[in-house]
Amino acid sequence: GDSVTQMEGPVTLSEEAFLTINCTYTATGYPSLFWYVQYPGEGLQLLLKATKADDKGSNKGFEATYRKETTSFHLEKGSVQVSDSAVYFCALSKTGTASKLTFGTGTRLQVTL
Amino acid sequence: DTAVSQTPKYLVTQMGNDKSIKCEQNLGHDTMYWYKQDSKKFLKIMFSYNNKELIINETVPNRFSPKSPDKAHLNLHINSLELGDSAVYFCASSQGGGRASRETQYFGPGTRLLVL
Repeated sequence: GDSVTQMEGPVTLSEEAFLTINCTYTATGYPSLFWYVQYPGEGLQLLLKATKADDKGSNKGFEATYRKETTSFHLEKGSVQVSDSAVYFCALSKTGTASKLTFGTGTRLQVTL
Repeated sequence: DTAVSQTPKYLVTQMGNDKSIKCEQNLGHDTMYWYKQDSKKFLKIMFSYNNKELIINETVPNRFSPKSPDKAHLNLHINSLELGDSAVYFCASSQGGGRASRETQYFGPGTRLLVL
């Protein structure tokens, strides 16, 4: 079946450091790929998405490129802030009889001053 | 002007009880979902409804019964609660028929259920 694999956390960085959170997927066909963010005590918010190969999703300084050849959708940010501390989820969705999100296990990011 | 709202936010109950969680969306979306997030933060789809019709029913015990009185509401009723039901339950919605992979799902704030 379809699956998403994310790097284990937690990831601890100093403010202004460069962030990469790895995400790879296994799926047949052509899924859409998403990054969702969950701030402490809150629900999930869409951070960015890409719907076809080589698309780049971007939002709030975060970027991820849909790489079909490596089945990856790594999340990057050039300079993290304390306010970026959250859990980040990579997910995929496929067109079909019913669309559902298949999530990775989440990666907790802790940014310190 | 909350987009997807859930009630209650917290629910503490005894084993064996029956409880309901309500979800409402004011986005005009056609499709709604229930996800379960376990203690390790892992999220998994439970159900999906499109215009009051059940379109996803993952391997979920029969004790869980979703009900959609209209396309803006999707409630989750749980019978005979067990310790393992303790989790955070998220409602979500998306525009369209719930069949296009590129649809963005909008999540509610979650209901934290603790079964004692």
